[in-house]
Amino acid sequence: GAVVSQHPSRVICKSGTSVKIECRSLDFQATTMFWYRQFPKKSLMLMATSNEGSKATYEQGVEKDKFLINHASLTLSTLTVTSAHPEDSSFYICSAAIAGGPFGELFFGEGSRLTVL
Amino acid sequence: QKEVEQDPGPLSVPEGAIVSLNCTYSNSAFQYFMWYRQYSRKGPELLMYTYSSGNKEDGRFTAQVDKSSKYISLFIRDSQPSDSATYLCAMNTGNQFYFGTGTSLTVIP
Repeated sequence: GAVVSQHPSRVICKSGTSVKIECRSLDFQATTMFWYRQFPKKSLMLMATSNEGSKATYEQGVEKDKFLINHASLTLSTLTVTSAHPEDSSFYICSAAIAGGPFGELFFGEGSRLTVL
Repeated sequence: QKEVEQDPGPLSVPEGAIVSLNCTYSNSAFQYFMWYRQYSRKGPELLMYTYSSGNKEDGRFTAQVDKSSKYISLFIRDSQPSDSATYLCAMNTGNQFYFGTGTSLTVIP
């Protein structure tokens, strides 16, 4: 199957700093990428849908100024958590849909665990 | 009403048992139906996806879709300890994906 690489897998930062997480589709082009947040023993919570070359669409309740999403190319989307606080500590996961492929094919990154001290 | 309902479990079975995981949904516009497996602290991995009603088999896994009842299932035959994970159902219409809460499965050796 297609591979989605997410980096870093684990990051610890101080409160008030910004953290950038990268999501790359390694062997396919992804016009659409999705960013999720997952709390322990809970399902995926969609944060935003990222379309290449345009602004991301955020889900209700997700602060767009806090979670900056950039999808500058067909293989890379980034999520920047700005001025991070301890309550932002979570598992962040990206996924990508294959451009032009059947929409049933959605591939996930390995996730990034953010801990804000 | 949630778009997708899934019993979170946890579900615990002995090795070799047949496991049945289920989801119901409310939106008749859903086109693709997927099952993902997620190990602890990892991203979900796609197990199977189907488009139409009926069964789709892949090794020990069988995905079943009943569009008339808005019900999907994943069956795992001869379950193994390595199958212990959280299983997420998902479905979509166009570019909108909806996930179940996930069912935590433990297969006991």
